[in-house]
Amino acid sequence: DTGVSQDPRHKITKRGQNVTFRCDPISEHNRLYWYRQTLGQGPEFLTYFQNEAQLEKSRLLSDRFSAERPKGSFSTLEIQRTEQGDSAMYLCASSVSLGGKGPNYGYTFGSGTRLTVV
Amino acid sequence: AQKVTQAQTEISVVEKEDVTLDCVYETRDTTYYLFWYKQPPSGELVFLIRRNSFDEQNEISGRYSWNFQKSTSSFNFTITASQVVDSAVYFCALRGSWAGSYQLTFGKGTKLSVIP
Repeated sequence: DTGVSQDPRHKITKRGQNVTFRCDPISEHNRLYWYRQTLGQGPEFLTYFQNEAQLEKSRLLSDRFSAERPKGSFSTLEIQRTEQGDSAMYLCASSVSLGGKGPNYGYTFGSGTRLTVV
Repeated sequence: AQKVTQAQTEISVVEKEDVTLDCVYETRDTTYYLFWYKQPPSGELVFLIRRNSFDEQNEISGRYSWNFQKSTSSFNFTITASQVVDSAVYFCALRGSWAGSYQLTFGKGTKLSVIP
């Protein structure tokens, strides 16, 4: 397993278009997270899945945003009717319980999808 | 509410100098977890360390060391004998123990530039 994979790495879209991003977590991780990072800021939490259940959503996740994790494996994040303010890096992370030790006992992040809305 | 403050926006040091990155946090949880991540220009967040609130022992890993002071709510990160490859943005993050909440709260980051 090579870590958390995100696709695409970059996406340029016109305002008003819909976009979808994909995240493939580390296979044995049951928890998956989406974060958004704008220039000069730290990542901000968007939503979290445990297996296929979406258990937590930030108020940042407007009704134009929807996330799914249909089989508890990969996840998609869709943004409908994109706006220029949606331009950001979208980061996916996965984790297992923090009670253990080992290389994956924290949160492992992917390289992100950089979205530019023009 | 949880909050992480990294007061240093940017730091520049000359190679081989030591540098300390500050992190101050706020939480009402009695048990919590603190993290440091490195974000190089490529964009990926690289995990550096996790610290549990109930374990106050400081940790050293090679040139990296972390000083956890519960009394002052600080979790500072020191790089000894800095190298150009240490140039990156460093983030401190906090996760509380409130049931069902697994989100990390990040600081705004400190951009470290190591000059050769």
